[in-house]
Amino acid sequence: QKEVEQDPGPLSVPEGAIVSLNCTYSNSAFQYFMWYRQYSRKGPELLMYTYSSGNKEDGRFTAQVDKSSKYISLFIRDSQPSDSATYLCAMITGGGNKLTFGTGTQLKVEL
Amino acid sequence: DVKVTQSSRYLVKRTGEKVFLECVQDMDHENMFWYRQDPGLGLRLIYFSYDVKMKEKGDIPEGYSVSREKKERFSLILESASTNQTSMYLCASSAGGEANEKLFFGSGTQLSVL
Repeated sequence: QKEVEQDPGPLSVPEGAIVSLNCTYSNSAFQYFMWYRQYSRKGPELLMYTYSSGNKEDGRFTAQVDKSSKYISLFIRDSQPSDSATYLCAMITGGGNKLTFGTGTQLKVEL
Repeated sequence: DVKVTQSSRYLVKRTGEKVFLECVQDMDHENMFWYRQDPGLGLRLIYFSYDVKMKEKGDIPEGYSVSREKKERFSLILESASTNQTSMYLCASSAGGEANEKLFFGSGTQLSVL
């Protein structure tokens, strides 16, 4: 079993939809949780960063962490075609030195 | 704007060749990383470095080596390229300390070994 599980998709939604992307994990020591966005033929870029449980909002994006369920989510409101990308979750233990990534979910937002 | 630059966007090499992938960052970051990315397998860490001349094995170091002679530069070396090393290679850097988890990635090198 992988430490971090993420549905690869692809996920196709109409423009304006609310998108929910999710990851589950098995290591209860993870404390920092991130979402990276990767456009085709580009490197990943950090999108959201949260510490421990709770919600964090940044514009149309909300990151949610539920440590009791070992489950993290990224919500995208009013999705746009420019949101079409692969979204990777990542996490790290406190004081850790390397991230553990999910395999990524491919999202396509259609006009 | 922060920048991680990988020397080649696409590379085609033959089996058995020695291959050098170069990465330079301009953010004065302490840590640098080399990942490979394959469909269905995600990002896998090959090697990382905390400081000049320091290196640590990641999850899949076999068949690779690295060099960090200067803080801004981190090289990945395939001593004798094999077809199963065909992949997208991504370099990343982070500031270290409490910002260790915030990685900045280069655009990647798509390597094909024939």
